[in-house]
Amino acid sequence: NAGVTQTPKFQVLKTGQSMTLQCAQDMNHNSMYWYRQDPGMGLRLIYYSASEGTTDKGEVPNGYNVSRLNKREFSLRLESAAPSQTSVYFCASSPRRGSGTQYFGPGTRLLVL
Amino acid sequence: KNEVEQSPQNLTAQEGEFITINCSYSVGISALHWLQQHPGGGIVSLFMLSSGKKKHGRLIATINIQEKHSSLHITASHPRDSAVYICAVSPDMEYGNKLVFGAGTILRVKS
Repeated sequence: NAGVTQTPKFQVLKTGQSMTLQCAQDMNHNSMYWYRQDPGMGLRLIYYSASEGTTDKGEVPNGYNVSRLNKREFSLRLESAAPSQTSVYFCASSPRRGSGTQYFGPGTRLLVL
Repeated sequence: KNEVEQSPQNLTAQEGEFITINCSYSVGISALHWLQQHPGGGIVSLFMLSSGKKKHGRLIATINIQEKHSSLHITASHPRDSAVYICAVSPDMEYGNKLVFGAGTILRVKS
C-alpha cells in the first residue's frame, strides 16, 4: 500500500496563477483532510471531507476550493494564488471523522511569488 | 489563547537524556494524539490515547483528563529522535469534530 500520496512535491507559482494539489489514499478511508503548515504555527485545517460526496470548511478555507472526486481522491484548488498561500500543504486521511488516527501524505511545498 | 499549548517550544538534549514534552488543552476531548515530523519529512502518528498511559519502544505517552494535560517522554534519547513533536486533540462533539493542533516542540538530540 502506498498510503497517502500527494502531487506535486514542490511548486512555484506567480501571484494570480491557479493550480490543483492532488491527494489520493489507498486505505479505503472515509475521511480526508487538507492542512497547511506555516512556521511557528500548528497545522491548520483548510477543508475536510467526512465521507465521499461531502466537503466542509475548516479553519482557514478562504482562497481554496476542494473536490472529493471519489473515495480515494481529494483535491485542493487555488483559483488565484497569493503570496500568503506560500506554505507546506498536507493531505491526510482517517478511517472515520474526528477521533481516529490520521495518516498524512508527504506534503507539497508551495511558493507563491 | 490557543486551545492546545505545548512546552517547551524548543528543546536541546544530550544523547542518553530523558526527555519530557508537555501538552495542555482547554477543550473537552475524546482523544489526544502525539505526532512526529522529521526535518523535511512527513508526519507520523505516534500515539492516540484517551486515558492512562501508552508505551512504544522508548516512547511513553501519558494523559490526565481531569487536568487536561498530556506528556510525551523519550527515554535514552538518541540523535535520530531529533524531530518536531506535535500534540493534537480530537474535541468532543460539543466543540466540533476535527483535530486541533499545537504549534509543536522542536527537539534536537546531540551526540
